[in-house]
Amino acid sequence: GESVGLHLPTLSVQEGDNSIINCAYSNSASDYFIWYKQESGKGPQFIIDIRSNMDKRQGQRVTVLLNKTVKHLSLQIAATQPGDSAVYFCAERNQGAQKLVFGQGTRLTINP
Amino acid sequence: KAGVTQTPRYLIKTRGQQVTLSCSPISGHRSVSWYQQTPGQGLQFLFEYFSETQRNKGNFPGRFSGRQFSNSRSEMNVSTLELGDSALYLCASRPSDGASGNTIYFGEGSWLTVV
Repeated sequence: GESVGLHLPTLSVQEGDNSIINCAYSNSASDYFIWYKQESGKGPQFIIDIRSNMDKRQGQRVTVLLNKTVKHLSLQIAATQPGDSAVYFCAERNQGAQKLVFGQGTRLTINP
Repeated sequence: KAGVTQTPRYLIKTRGQQVTLSCSPISGHRSVSWYQQTPGQGLQFLFEYFSETQRNKGNFPGRFSGRQFSNSRSEMNVSTLELGDSALYLCASRPSDGASGNTIYFGEGSWLTVV
């Protein structure tokens, strides 16, 4: 079945450093990918998305990279700040389905 | 523009009872979907509604049901509650039109505890 997984369940980085969160997906038919940030006690917050016809997309301090050859997705956060501490989820959508499949999440901790 | 609004935010129910959760999507959004989030299973899709019709359903028992009203507001119901139904129930909405149709926005969720 389809699945989306994360290589690392936890990640700790120093404030100001860049962080990279990785995600592997198994469904080659997925055509749309999203990264969400979830802070404690809150719902997932949309960060950035990317379609399968792209390999890179940049936002404010964030970049998403998509490698369809190895079915890998990554989220890069530049100059991390304490407010970046959260759990980050990747999600994929199959064009034929109307649902998102989420990974288990990576907890990002920013050390002062 | 207001975000996705869910009520109630917190509730405690007893095994065997039933519960109804409510969701108001972002204004103009016609698609509403529901997800269950638990520490063990992560985020799992329950169902999606568009124009009052269920378009897709996840792998949950029939005790989980939902509906959507003409104003796009949605409710989900869980009957005969079990301890394992304790979770954060998240509602999400999307425009379902053009290039922005895929972006899905979540509410803050309803925390359900079954005792």
